[in-house]
Amino acid sequence: AQSVAQPEDQVNVAEGNPLTVKCTYSVSGNPYLFWYVQYPNRGLQFLLKYITGDNLVKGSYGFEAEFNKSQTSFHLKKPSALVSDSALYFCAVRDQIDRGSTLGRLYFGRGTQLTVWP
Amino acid sequence: DAGVTQSPTHLIKTRGQQVTLRCSPKSGHDTVSWYQQALGQGPQFIFQYYEEEERQRGNFPDRFSGHQFPNYSSELNVNALLLGDSALYLCASRSTGKSYEQYFGPGTRLTVT
Repeated sequence: AQSVAQPEDQVNVAEGNPLTVKCTYSVSGNPYLFWYVQYPNRGLQFLLKYITGDNLVKGSYGFEAEFNKSQTSFHLKKPSALVSDSALYFCAVRDQIDRGSTLGRLYFGRGTQLTVWP
Repeated sequence: DAGVTQSPTHLIKTRGQQVTLRCSPKSGHDTVSWYQQALGQGPQFIFQYYEEEERQRGNFPDRFSGHQFPNYSSELNVNALLLGDSALYLCASRSTGKSYEQYFGPGTRLTVT
């Protein structure tokens, strides 16, 4: 079964400093990995995905994520944090109904609350 | 181009009642999934609809049912509401065969008293 772990409930960082939000995964087969962000009283916004290819994936708002197969990790990073980055971040992994199908469900972690202070 | 829309925004129901939530997918999308997000938790998959059929279902009781219409919009129905059904219900859509990411609506906040 697929699963995702976000080991930190909360990450605090000063504005301008680099940030990392951690995610590890467990899947059978090739991992399809995603990061989403959720602002208060809002739905989830897609940030980036890893399907195949380069281990460093670039996404929206200056975020990037590093896929590490040996460590089964997909950490979210940003070189310089902004106060407006403060939000709840979710890592997710997708399964497939069957090989070659593009249907599939997302399995989410519990989320990490990122707070960037001025 | 409208994104995923959901209605209503908020809903308060009494235990034992029934509720229907609605979702219109992003333009060009044909697959709709529903997720339940309890307070302090990540979203949990309820089910997914494609070509008006339920294609996959998560670990939710039969009280949770759904429907997809020919225009790809979808409904989530919950019968015999329990206090534990209080949550944010998220609808997500995608275009099958074209992309892997799902786009989420703003959600419907259901409170069961």
